[in-house]
Amino acid sequence: DAKTTQPPSMDCAEGRAANLPCNHSTISGNEYVYWYRQIHSQGPQYIIHGLKNNETNEMASLIITEDRKSSTLILPHATLRDTAVYYCIVRADRGSTLGRLYFGRGTQLTVWP
Amino acid sequence: DAGVIQSPRHEVTEMGQEVTLRCKPISGHDYLFWYRQTMMRGLELLIYFNNNVPIDDSGMPEDRFSAKMPNASFSTLKIQPSEPRDSAVYFCASSFGWRGSGANVLTFGAGSRLTVL
Repeated sequence: DAKTTQPPSMDCAEGRAANLPCNHSTISGNEYVYWYRQIHSQGPQYIIHGLKNNETNEMASLIITEDRKSSTLILPHATLRDTAVYYCIVRADRGSTLGRLYFGRGTQLTVWP
Repeated sequence: DAGVIQSPRHEVTEMGQEVTLRCKPISGHDYLFWYRQTMMRGLELLIYFNNNVPIDDSGMPEDRFSAKMPNASFSTLKIQPSEPRDSAVYFCASSFGWRGSGANVLTFGAGSRLTVL
């Protein structure tokens, strides 16, 4: 039930911005886009989420296209500690219930010195 | 806030034995999720609870798997009998329910790594 498409891997130099793309062309109007990451051997960690406006927090920025069919997660100054698998998730809408979150395979981001 | 607490962190057992994994969610969270992660299948949702009631168990692989949530602060995932193909990392996560802002943020535990020989 994959609802998002991400590249399997990306590289980024330390100190540079990492831009991770995600396609979600079948997203519904009331579905949110979430980003999580999983550092090796740890549980996934929430990064950011958004509906249609761009969002920024202390970890990252989320840019969602106007048609909402794709988004980009931006880590403005990547560090070695940002090496992880990044998951783009569209929240399954089950009405008033939470629904299922499909994590897919994500993008393995490797930050090199 | 100690986060989501899982135990044991590592479990090695022999085929046919019963395995019980435990989870303590974050206090106040009304949703609890059990996920399984393997190299082959990635991160799969097994079951989730809302207010201690199982809502969706369609991800539970077979009758050998069962999950309970007797109260708001404790959940178990049991495998009986265990098989080598059950070897995986099992994650528990909890969250607040829908709050109207899309903030269905899951907080994951550190995971329980199960090896069935």
